[in-house]
Amino acid sequence: RKEVEQDPGPFNVPEGATVAFNCTYSNSASQSFFWYRQDCRKEPKLLMSVYSSGNEDGRFTAQLNRASQYISLLIRDSKLSDSATYLCVVNSRGSYIPTFGRGTSLIVHP
Amino acid sequence: NAGVTQTPKFQVLKTGQSMTLQCAQDMNHEYMSWYRQDPGMGLRLIHYSVGAGITDQGEVPNGYNVSRSTTEDFPLRLLSAAPSQTSVYFCASRNTGVDYGYTFGSGTRLTVV
Repeated sequence: RKEVEQDPGPFNVPEGATVAFNCTYSNSASQSFFWYRQDCRKEPKLLMSVYSSGNEDGRFTAQLNRASQYISLLIRDSKLSDSATYLCVVNSRGSYIPTFGRGTSLIVHP
Repeated sequence: NAGVTQTPKFQVLKTGQSMTLQCAQDMNHEYMSWYRQDPGMGLRLIHYSVGAGITDQGEVPNGYNVSRSTTEDFPLRLLSAAPSQTSVYFCASRNTGVDYGYTFGSGTRLTVV
């Protein structure tokens, strides 16, 4: 089982829709969590950290469920410009190296 | 701040040639890493460093060398290029501490013919 798993998608949604992605992790020593966005042929960029109490940044909401070992990203009122791949990233205690999921592809169409 | 700077952005090599991909960061980050990204494979760690003078192997280190003589620079050397090394290479850095995420460079697109 991969340490960090994501549904690769693609999620194909119309503009204005609400879409949610989940990411499951298997390492119980996982301590901090992030969502990255990667546009086609570009580098991954940090979208937001995920805090235990959940956090929101504009149209984006991230949540953490430690009991079930998953994090989620909710995008409200999707824009065409939200089309990208969203990577889930996990840092674990005792490890210098983060674990990356393979990403979930989102396509927002008119 | 420039963040993480990678050069070159594009490179074509012939099989057997060697070259160095440059990576520099101006954020005083201790941790730096090199990744390659291939279609359908996600990001794979090549080498990483937790500080000047300290490097270690990642998931796919064969055919690559690194050094870290300063905090700022972390070059990746391809010893004898092979077509299997055709990929996009990303350098990334972050602060120490588990609560920090990586900042990535804009990548180097390498083709080996």
